[in-house]
Amino acid sequence: QPVLTQSSSASASLGSSVKLTCTLSSGPSTSIIAWYQQQPGKAPRYLMNVEGSGTYNKGGGVPDRFSGSRSGTDRYLTISNLQSEDEADYYCETWDSNTRVFGGGTKLTVL
Amino acid sequence: EVHLVESGGDLVQPGGSLRLSCTASGLTFTNYAMSWVRQAPGKGLEWVSAISGSGGGTYYADSVKGRFTISRDNSKNTLYLQMDSLRAEDTAVYYCAKDCGGGDCSHAFDDWGQGTLVTVSS
Repeated sequence: QPVLTQSSSASASLGSSVKLTCTLSSGPSTSIIAWYQQQPGKAPRYLMNVEGSGTYNKGGGVPDRFSGSRSGTDRYLTISNLQSEDEADYYCETWDSNTRVFGGGTKLTVL
Repeated sequence: EVHLVESGGDLVQPGGSLRLSCTASGLTFTNYAMSWVRQAPGKGLEWVSAISGSGGGTYYADSVKGRFTISRDNSKNTLYLQMDSLRAEDTAVYYCAKDCGGGDCSHAFDDWGQGTLVTVSS
């Protein structure tokens, strides 16, 4: 069963960029992972998936400021030109043999 | 536009039962696998259970296996979660989530309901 590890918190200034990391600790290094955003009091929202090649595919309506990438077992979500509405929890997720696994989530604070 | 609406959340005593529903609109429901995902107060997301589009395949997290049953009625565009032998640790907001079904989004959960709160307490 895959295991996904995320830092519990991150912070960055308004207008700057931040790179969130999701580490695949178990499972194939080529696994696809998905990123979700959960703003306070709201349901999660699908942002994108990041393939083993590093290619990312965004969901509908996701701003161009959001991008994905990969290095080895790490999958990244980069948010550029941070806005106040980007302050949220961010989760990565993957799937394997009919099991779905979420990372613990990263709480992003926009300063 | 896809719309998912959960219902059925309530306060229930330990050992009790509850059935959640998720009604879908704006899609050909039978074409998509569906899941239940929960979030305990102040905690992260936890996948609970999934069901294939036809309903022929069902899958569970170890934490709920043998206690929860997922099902669907494609004629009613509705997903269900029967929860038995409830425990305090089952207290959470329960979301239904639609599997993207392949293509560019692979099998990500591309649509979510607003959630329904289940509280297990005496």
